[in-house]
Amino acid sequence: QSALTQPASVSGSPGQSITISCTGTSSDVGGYNYVSWYQQHPGKAPKLMIYDVSKRPSGVSNRFSGSKSGNTASLTISGLQAEDEADYYCSSYTSSSTLYVFGTGTKVTVL
Amino acid sequence: EVQLVESGGGLVQPGGSLRLSCAASGFTFSSYWMHWVRQAPGKGLVWVSRINSDGSSTSYADSVKGRFTISRDNAKNTLYLQMNSLRAEDTAVYYCARDLLEGGSSDAFDIWGQGTMVTVSS
Repeated sequence: QSALTQPASVSGSPGQSITISCTGTSSDVGGYNYVSWYQQHPGKAPKLMIYDVSKRPSGVSNRFSGSKSGNTASLTISGLQAEDEADYYCSSYTSSSTLYVFGTGTKVTVL
Repeated sequence: EVQLVESGGGLVQPGGSLRLSCAASGFTFSSYWMHWVRQAPGKGLVWVSRINSDGSSTSYADSVKGRFTISRDNAKNTLYLQMNSLRAEDTAVYYCARDLLEGGSSDAFDIWGQGTMVTVSS
């Protein structure tokens, strides 16, 4: 089971919006509405930001939103803030025996 | 406070064994499916294993199947990962994580521990 494909890095200025893509196949992203997104600051544990493609857990800012089209999911961060600078990983349920696959990760830099 | 605390990591030689523990507090541990996820130094997240709420059903990534065993003791609110036949490529921070959905399985992990480092080297 190969990792989902994400851009290595995305950057933006404070207040801007950025979008991170997550590309898989029909066996994972395209086959299920079970995509989630995680934020990870250096040396810290991941934090759930989005689940079921577009749902936000309680306490997560509404500046974070998710969507999906075909085999590609996306995370959009609007009103970019300095604290959003972190690594972001997508994840999807898969039809393979390895039940979950993560993305390659994207480093978000706030300029 | 909802919390997961891992322990048991360390340095082990190739071919050796190690057992990780994850102590849960602040929630009804026995109601949740649990997972192990690992992250090699400087690399991305990789799902390792899952266990259902009563321990009767387990799943593993192909890379660890037959070598790792996930288990739980609901009376002790503790999750375990027994790792045998360890290889250099198993070197990683190991996180335990709670499934988002109480009483079932979802696609997401909402509570994570701080991680425990496992280094496989001679």
